[in-house]
Amino acid sequence: QQQVKQSPQSLIVQKGGISIINCAYENTAFDYFPWYQQFPGKGPALLIAIRPDVSEKKEGRFTISFNKSAKQFSLHIMDSQPGDSATYFCAASSNGANNLFFGTGTRLTVIP
Amino acid sequence: EAGVAQSPRYKIIEKRQSVAFWCNPISGHATLYWYQQILGQGPKLLIQFQNNGVVDDSQLPKDRFSAERLKGVDSTLKIQPAKLEDSAVYLCASSLDFANTGELFFGEGSRLTVL
Repeated sequence: QQQVKQSPQSLIVQKGGISIINCAYENTAFDYFPWYQQFPGKGPALLIAIRPDVSEKKEGRFTISFNKSAKQFSLHIMDSQPGDSATYFCAASSNGANNLFFGTGTRLTVIP
Repeated sequence: EAGVAQSPRYKIIEKRQSVAFWCNPISGHATLYWYQQILGQGPKLLIQFQNNGVVDDSQLPKDRFSAERLKGVDSTLKIQPAKLEDSAVYLCASSLDFANTGELFFGEGSRLTVL
């Protein structure tokens, strides 16, 4: 079964706009929530991550918002740029598991 | 620092044939993972090694897939016999200390097409 549900499947945003990708999970044992970015022909690369002791984490134009009670987390990309066009995966892990469960991915296209 | 190396990058085979993929992780990374990424889906863990021991292979279709990491460094993933539904990108990843860093480093993947 899909441990992490991600939406939307695809997203088109104008340059300078805000891109928002959402994820939800059921397993309350999950305690680590990273986002990975994947360009065509490349492997995924860690973009930003959060642990449930905080509700928000910001790194440059990228922000994770985390809602523990709703079991949801989201990625916000501010001032989206054409270079941000890629597929974004949310993921989750539980303490001691040492591996990741990935969402189905969101293909982001930023139009110049 | 060299990244995770994988080969071949592309492979096309007929169903029921066999194929093998090779992975060389980042130097010093004790944990190695093989993920399967079907087109339009997220990566799914097939097998996880800690040094040369298997940590998790619960999602590996053992009737046709096998993997080994004999000396705790390089790893090979084999599929025999291949089915049409095995068409996917096979990603190898490694980690130095996932419990603390939470980061997996992925290779560029090996794309398999089964005809």
